[in-house]
Amino acid sequence: EVQLVESGGGVVQPGGSLRLSCSASGFTFSGYAMHWVRQAPGKGLEYVSTISRNGGSAFYADSVRGRFTISRDNPMNTLYLQMGSLRPGDTAVYYCVKGDVVVVAAPAYWGQGTLVTVSS
Amino acid sequence: QSALTQPASVSGSPGQSITISCTGTSSDVGDYNLVAWYQQHPGKVPKLIIYEVSKRPSGVSYRFSGSKSGNTASLTISGLQAEDEADYYCCSYAGSVSFRLFGGGTRLTVL
Repeated sequence: EVQLVESGGGVVQPGGSLRLSCSASGFTFSGYAMHWVRQAPGKGLEYVSTISRNGGSAFYADSVRGRFTISRDNPMNTLYLQMGSLRPGDTAVYYCVKGDVVVVAAPAYWGQGTLVTVSS
Repeated sequence: QSALTQPASVSGSPGQSITISCTGTSSDVGDYNLVAWYQQHPGKVPKLIIYEVSKRPSGVSYRFSGSKSGNTASLTISGLQAEDEADYYCCSYAGSVSFRLFGGGTRLTVL
């Protein structure tokens, strides 16, 4: 059974940094692209970032490019999102999502999410 | 990098069919057969119900179907059931720069 468990969320001040982690199990982690998608409270889904199977390619939404960095540790079956220069508009539940073999395929299986609150 | 356009809400009675539209541009929906649809019940995580415009993942009801014409993709739900009441989001690959876009979401109410 696919399991994705996010951690690292919390309250951070504007301008601060936070690192999210996603521990994966139940599938061959290194065989799949992975994604981060966020959802502000009461709002819709927003794409954040994608990383290829071997971590060699990464893609970002305009809203986070230059501030967030996605990475992965395949031997540890863990996905990361390093977030910096955080803004109140970054407040959201951040979902770790399992993709497919190719990065362009749709995000498929979603974790339960971790809440990030950016507030002074 | 604008979001894809969906109606805010749609409604239908049990047994009826409804269609939700998702309008993009020639740089995203119109250029790639990589449109997906997600269902999200209140307080739950999204679930993939359609990928690559019209394909259903294993376990998804045949009542859900997808299509595309030009820059607009559509999700049709036939034989509406109370359990279909949820938010629905479209999503499209948008090229190597914008990469991926979501629609604003559509709230489906089963009357």
